[in-house]
Amino acid sequence: QVQLVQSGAEVRKPGASVTISCKTSGFDFTGHSIQWVRQAPGQKLEQMGWINAGSGRTSYSQNFQGRVTFTRDTSADTAYMEVSSLRSEDTAFYFCAKSRYGRLLSKMFDFWGQGTLVTVSS
Amino acid sequence: SYVLSQAPSVSVAPGQTARIACGGDKIGVKSVHWYQQKPGQAPVLVVYDDSDRPSGIPERFSGSNSGNTATLTISRVEAGDEADYYCQVWDSSTDHPIFGGGTRLSAL
Repeated sequence: QVQLVQSGAEVRKPGASVTISCKTSGFDFTGHSIQWVRQAPGQKLEQMGWINAGSGRTSYSQNFQGRVTFTRDTSADTAYMEVSSLRSEDTAFYFCAKSRYGRLLSKMFDFWGQGTLVTVSS
Repeated sequence: SYVLSQAPSVSVAPGQTARIACGGDKIGVKSVHWYQQKPGQAPVLVVYDDSDRPSGIPERFSGSNSGNTATLTISRVEAGDEADYYCQVWDSSTDHPIFGGGTRLSAL
């Protein structure tokens, strides 16, 4: 069965960086894109961007451009996201999700990781 | 940029029908997907391509999309349906998803 398992909760000081992993199984990793989504406590879902796990091509939301880096390891079917220059407003749950195409080439997210809580505090 | 609007909350009595709206300019020509998110959990896809259900999602969940409004309908609402519901479309101009602000469903 399809699974996306994320790394555990992290605590960082302002200005530091954090890397979150998303280990996948049960599907052809290189045949899909992995989307990253942020959710601050009590807030809505905020898309951060995606990585095509096959080609490695990335696309970042303008809100995170320059501070976020997506990578992947095809030998381990794992995607990674690094967030740098952390600030208190980055305290949130971070989710990875498997993309698939629907009608009109509209992407949807049919399976999600369990989320990783990143706390940024001095 | 394209914006999806959702009411912050909807309340219905158990056993009744809940309708959760997602507004957007000419959203009827787009494909809309819906997610359910319970407290402390990841979102779950409940309806895709306006009205299709992933396997394992009860038939009580259905969707429609026309004009400027897409609607998620939950029939015979149960206490276990209490959650936040988000609509989503794909913005082909930016090649990124757009999420609505979410609607919290309460079963009174």
